[in-house]
Amino acid sequence: EIVMTQSPAALSVSPGERATLSCRASQSVGRNLVWYQQKPGQAPRLLVYGASTRATGTPPRFSGTGSGTEFTLTISSLQSEDCAVYFCQQYNDWITFGGGTKVEIK
Amino acid sequence: QVQLVESGGGVVQPGGSLRLSCAASGFDFSFYGMHWVRQAPGRGLEWVAFIRYDGTNEYYADSVKGRHTMSRDNLKKILYVEMNSLRAEDTGIYYCAKDLLRGGAYPSYLDFWGQGTLVTVSS
Repeated sequence: EIVMTQSPAALSVSPGERATLSCRASQSVGRNLVWYQQKPGQAPRLLVYGASTRATGTPPRFSGTGSGTEFTLTISSLQSEDCAVYFCQQYNDWITFGGGTKVEIK
Repeated sequence: QVQLVESGGGVVQPGGSLRLSCAASGFDFSFYGMHWVRQAPGRGLEWVAFIRYDGTNEYYADSVKGRHTMSRDNLKKILYVEMNSLRAEDTGIYYCAKDLLRGGAYPSYLDFWGQGTLVTVSS
């Protein structure tokens, strides 16, 4: 099983500042990685797929980069509505999720 | 628009059984693989199972293999999971979700999710 490790577990960022979230795979997943956003009490929402392609409706301040085992989701200018938990998921070998990163406003 | 509505959750004793349903609308249900994903209270996401668009194959996480059975009715556009020999660690919100790939034989990623139904396994 491919283990996905996200860091940090929680992140506190001032409005308008950059937030950088990391996701590491225990073995290469190519670019078969997606990011989801989950707000309290809601289902996850697809944010980025193929490591770097924004899903429909994802604001341009969200950008995904990486390949192989190292991936990053960057929120270029944090807005209050971005407070959520972000999960990465690989689909190169079945499906496994990372543990999530909680993003809060400082 | 795509809608997925889960039902059937509730409180069940350890060792008991429960069947969840997911009613789909707004897309060609019979052309897409479907997933169940669960989330324990305050925890992360765990993929549970996937069923091919035509229902001919299912794939399960090791944690539920042999206990859970996924099925689908493409005419009624309903997805099911039959959960048996339930354990405390099966507690959580169960989401059904649509796979991205049309006609995909294996799981990829999940582009639409339902709101989930809560399963509590407790004596």
